[in-house]
Amino acid sequence: DQQVKQNSPSLSVQEGRISILNCDYTNSMFDYFLWYKKYPAEGPTFLISISSIKDKNEDGRFTVFLNKSAKHLSLHIVPSQPGDSAVYFCAASSYVQGAQKLVFGQGTRLTINP
Amino acid sequence: ETGVTQTPRHLVMGMTNKKSLKCEQHLGHNAMYWYKQSAKKPLELMFVYNFKEQTENNSVPSRFSPECPNSSHLFLHLHTLQPEDSALYLCASSQDYWGSTSGNTIYFGEGSWLTVV
Repeated sequence: DQQVKQNSPSLSVQEGRISILNCDYTNSMFDYFLWYKKYPAEGPTFLISISSIKDKNEDGRFTVFLNKSAKHLSLHIVPSQPGDSAVYFCAASSYVQGAQKLVFGQGTRLTINP
Repeated sequence: ETGVTQTPRHLVMGMTNKKSLKCEQHLGHNAMYWYKQSAKKPLELMFVYNFKEQTENNSVPSRFSPECPNSSHLFLHLHTLQPEDSALYLCASSQDYWGSTSGNTIYFGEGSWLTVV
């Protein structure tokens, strides 16, 4: 049973436009959400995060939105740049028996077209 | 450069071989992790060490054996693996696994690509 889902395996966006990556989760105990970016042959790199007590967090071109009632979060990248082409992983964090656990989605491959 | 270094980056081994993956973090973190990424699957947590003590073994087969001699180094010893164990193995670290604050960012290494033949 997958608790964090990224239903779009791939997304293609024109350079300069907005990229919107989506993520759904099922466990209401998740209290923190993170986005990671991964280039081929490299490990995931932390991008941006949001606490469950907030509904928006912004960092430069990247904004993460959280809709707790819908158990949905999204990552907006604007304007999109060719260097943003990568696989993006959504992750959700919860504390289980006093320990933090991170659950990842399957990833969405973003391609920015010039 | 994330401060988490993994060696080797690529490893090909036979099913009867014994090999090890090494991870070193230069971030002063207390917690270290092994994750596995197989094709078309989400990242899977394998092991967690906090202050050198193993705190989680996520139902990983015994042919994978972790070792954490100190809080900066983590090994994954491999023996009698199967071809389906071929994957990208990622080491990660964070400041405090048992931390009281949520959102403890985890930093990943570049991964070790393992092929079992």
